[in-house]
Amino acid sequence: DAGVIQSPRHEVTEMGQEVTLRCKPISGHNSLFWYRQTMMRGLELLIYFNNNVPIDDSGMPEDRFSAKMPNASFSTLKIQPSEPRDSAVYFCASSAGTGLPRETQYFGPGTRLLVL
Amino acid sequence: AQKVTQAQTEISVVEKEDVTLDCVYETRDTTYYLFWYKQPPSGELVFLIRRNSFDEQNEISGRYSWNFQKSTSSFNFTITASQVVDSAVYFCALTRTDKLIFGTGTRLQVFP
Repeated sequence: DAGVIQSPRHEVTEMGQEVTLRCKPISGHNSLFWYRQTMMRGLELLIYFNNNVPIDDSGMPEDRFSAKMPNASFSTLKIQPSEPRDSAVYFCASSAGTGLPRETQYFGPGTRLLVL
Repeated sequence: AQKVTQAQTEISVVEKEDVTLDCVYETRDTTYYLFWYKQPPSGELVFLIRRNSFDEQNEISGRYSWNFQKSTSSFNFTITASQVVDSAVYFCALTRTDKLIFGTGTRLQVFP
């Protein structure tokens, strides 16, 4: 079984550019989560979707960040315009069942973003 | 408020030693869930175990074992006969019906 798939695995961009991160959840999972990992703040939940609907986006840092889930097998996290402080590893995770965070979340390999 | 504390920032052991990673949590909920994840040097997050608050039985999986004690709000993780491949950052996490709250992680280095 394929796990959570994320692309790109690495992204280097310049400040002010638009960045789009992509995620394909595990087939059959109905919840999808976006996390950010930094040395300073550790692992933070940015947003999660249940059945393609955003449930909690309180972790999204500011309006420069947006996330979409147009269908059950695809989600994007967009940063526009990007800033150096956005440099981090961005993880996507998915879970099955009720979709509540108490279900086990399976993580993708992450996208390492560097904004110069 | 919910909180997870992993007081051990880094642990170094020599191969074949046993090692215990501590996890202490805070919650006012009676129903909650605890998790351990492993993050090897390659960077991915690997699920290890999920435990609900009503199940205090200890769990053993090969060289891994977990000790859940509600009385001390702890969910400790022991690796028996550690191996170099166990070198990673290990995260403990807590959730109820809301967000998954991660601890700051413990970096384990196993030397040959």
